[in-house]
Amino acid sequence: EPEVTQTPSHQVTQMGQEVILRCVPISNHLYFYWYRQILGQKVEFLVSFYNNEISEKSEIFDDQFSVERPDGSNFTLKIRSTKLEDSAMYFCASSEDGTSGTYYEQYFGPGTRLTVT
Amino acid sequence: SQQGEEDPQALSIQEGENATMNCSYKTSINNLQWYRQNSGRGLVHLILIRSNEREKHSGRLRVTLDTSKKSSSLLITASRAADTASYFCATLGGADGLTFGKGTHLIIQP
Repeated sequence: EPEVTQTPSHQVTQMGQEVILRCVPISNHLYFYWYRQILGQKVEFLVSFYNNEISEKSEIFDDQFSVERPDGSNFTLKIRSTKLEDSAMYFCASSEDGTSGTYYEQYFGPGTRLTVT
Repeated sequence: SQQGEEDPQALSIQEGENATMNCSYKTSINNLQWYRQNSGRGLVHLILIRSNEREKHSGRLRVTLDTSKKSSSLLITASRAADTASYFCATLGGADGLTFGKGTHLIIQP
């Protein structure tokens, strides 16, 4: 069964460093998403991406974040200058469509645990 | 309560019993999705129910949706030890992103 994959599974970085989290969405899906889950808290929406541009972003997704689809398969989240509070599990998700008005299931990857020291 | 709020927060039952978890939300939705998360792992999609549906089944799972009460329930029948996990409801309204609740932590005692 097709699945969303993410790399790396765990990333440790120093405060102020840039990190890139990678995701390979399900191949026929058109919508891509990033979410994060700080330890012990709710899963929070960061950004959605469709047709090679950001469709929507939350207030968490500030200027230090960016997303890109550099080729036909990868979808990346870049955090330009990491802060301690960026430590969280970051989930990528994809769905078949989001434009029909009824929306489809969002399938999540296993996550990347980011630890900022 | 916040959008996508589950109760109970924790539930412990014996293997073979049924488990029922509830979710309440505040704003109008297009659909509601239930997910499972094993400790420290990813989110597994269980079932989606659209706003014009009242009940949906998938294997041992039964989901109901009452849009007049802005609530949903997830029933797991004949529970197994492998069902031990956290269960989240997530709502989708007019925006792209899902809004998750805090989850119900389900423990199945062997």
